[in-house]
Amino acid sequence: DTGVSQDPRHKITKRGQNVTFRCDPISEHNRLYWYRQTLGQGPEFLTYFQNEAQLEKSRLLSDRFSAERPKGSFSTLEIQRTEQGDSAMYLCASSLGVGGSMTPLHFGNGTRLTVT
Amino acid sequence: AQSVAQPEDQVNVAEGNPLTVKCTYSVSGNPYLFWYVQYPNRGLQFLLKYITGDNLVKGSYGFEAEFNKSQTSFHLKKPSALVSDSALYFCAVRDYPRSARQLTFGSGTQLTVLP
Repeated sequence: DTGVSQDPRHKITKRGQNVTFRCDPISEHNRLYWYRQTLGQGPEFLTYFQNEAQLEKSRLLSDRFSAERPKGSFSTLEIQRTEQGDSAMYLCASSLGVGGSMTPLHFGNGTRLTVT
Repeated sequence: AQSVAQPEDQVNVAEGNPLTVKCTYSVSGNPYLFWYVQYPNRGLQFLLKYITGDNLVKGSYGFEAEFNKSQTSFHLKKPSALVSDSALYFCAVRDYPRSARQLTFGSGTQLTVLP
């Protein structure tokens, strides 16, 4: 089963350091999403790609956050100058769709970030 | 703006009894509604969706949900709960066509099925 894969599963970093996470979506999926989930909360939307184009960004995505999907396949999410408030589970999801359709999202198991 | 509320943080039910997990939503246009389940240290798994058509939607693992437009609700149900159903459940909505393709999730309901 080639589901959505995220790496690493866990990351512990010191405040002020930069971190990068990787997401490999299901291969035929053209849409890719990043969400952030904190304890006791539902996932919050961060950004969305259709193929290699980043079409939407949440206001939650400050200028310290950057996401790329260079060839329309895997994606990376980088956080610069990490802060303790960045500690969360970062979830990647993918789907296959065209136009305004909304097919179900397939989520990876997430990357848990702890900023000390 | 689209929003979704899950009024119960915790639902406990005895094995074999019916279960209901509540969800209400707010949209300006037409709602696309989803239920997801999350097990510890895992991502979310899709259970079912309502886009249009029949108000009663059937999904994975024997779950179903009823769309009620007048009450703006989309409650998750199962006739007979299993201990293995114990998990965190999330309702999600997209406001179509006003919203972009992002989903807005509720805060989740922890379901515990007691043996």
